[in-house]
Amino acid sequence: DQQVKQNSPSLSVQEGRISILNCDYTNSMFDYFLWYKKYPAEGPTFLISISSIKDKNEDGRFTVFLNKSAKHLSLHIVPSQPGDSAVYFCAASFTGGGNKLTFGTGTQLKVEL
Amino acid sequence: GAVVSQHPSRVICKSGTSVKIECRSLDFQATTMFWYRQFPKQSLMLMATSNEGSKATYEQGVEKDKFLINHASLTLSTLTVTSAHPEDSSFYICSARDRAGGVNTGELFFGEGSRLTVL
Repeated sequence: DQQVKQNSPSLSVQEGRISILNCDYTNSMFDYFLWYKKYPAEGPTFLISISSIKDKNEDGRFTVFLNKSAKHLSLHIVPSQPGDSAVYFCAASFTGGGNKLTFGTGTQLKVEL
Repeated sequence: GAVVSQHPSRVICKSGTSVKIECRSLDFQATTMFWYRQFPKQSLMLMATSNEGSKATYEQGVEKDKFLINHASLTLSTLTVTSAHPEDSSFYICSARDRAGGVNTGELFFGEGSRLTVL
C-alpha cells in the first residue's frame, strides 16, 4: 500500500520556466512533509519541508504548498535551472512516528536548455 | 550541513557470501539511524531503525536474521547482508538523526548509498 504517491514518474521543463512536482498521500496521520532531491548513485539531500499547520513554505527558488483537505502537496521551482535536473522524492512522517519517513516513488525532473 | 558517510559505495559479491555496509555520522552524534533500500525506479523503503546500544527495530517483511544491524556507537551503524543472494541486489541507503536535533525531521541526513550486486 503506497501511502505517498507521486503519479508523474518524469517531468521535462525548459530552463527559466516553473517546475511543479506533485505528491499525494493517503494517511491522515501524516503531519510533516519533506522534499528530497537525489542524483544517481547518491543519497537523497533534504530540500524543503512543511508542517501541517502551514499551507506554504518558501525557500529561495523552492516553494512547497500543502492542501490538507485534498491530501496533496506540490513543490514549485522557479526559475528552473539545468542543475535542478534530478529525482525528487516527496516524504511524509507523523508526530510520534520516530522520525520514520515514508517516501513516494519519485519524479525525474529534467530541465532543458 | 551534517555529513553521513557510507562505505563501500559499491560492492559486488558472490551468492552466499556476507557483505557489511558501514554508515558513519562524521560531525554529529546519531542516536538513531535508519536503513533504506531502493530498487530501480522505486521508492526508498525503510528496512529498519537502528538505535545506539539497543536492538534494531525492523519493518514488517524484513528478515532480521538476514539483515543484521549493529549500532555500537553514536557515530557508527553497520548493516550486514548475510548469505546474500541475487535478489538482495539493491541500493542501500542509511540516514541519521542528529542527537541534538529536535522533532524537525529535516534533520535526517542521508549517506551516499551503497550499491550491492550479488552474482
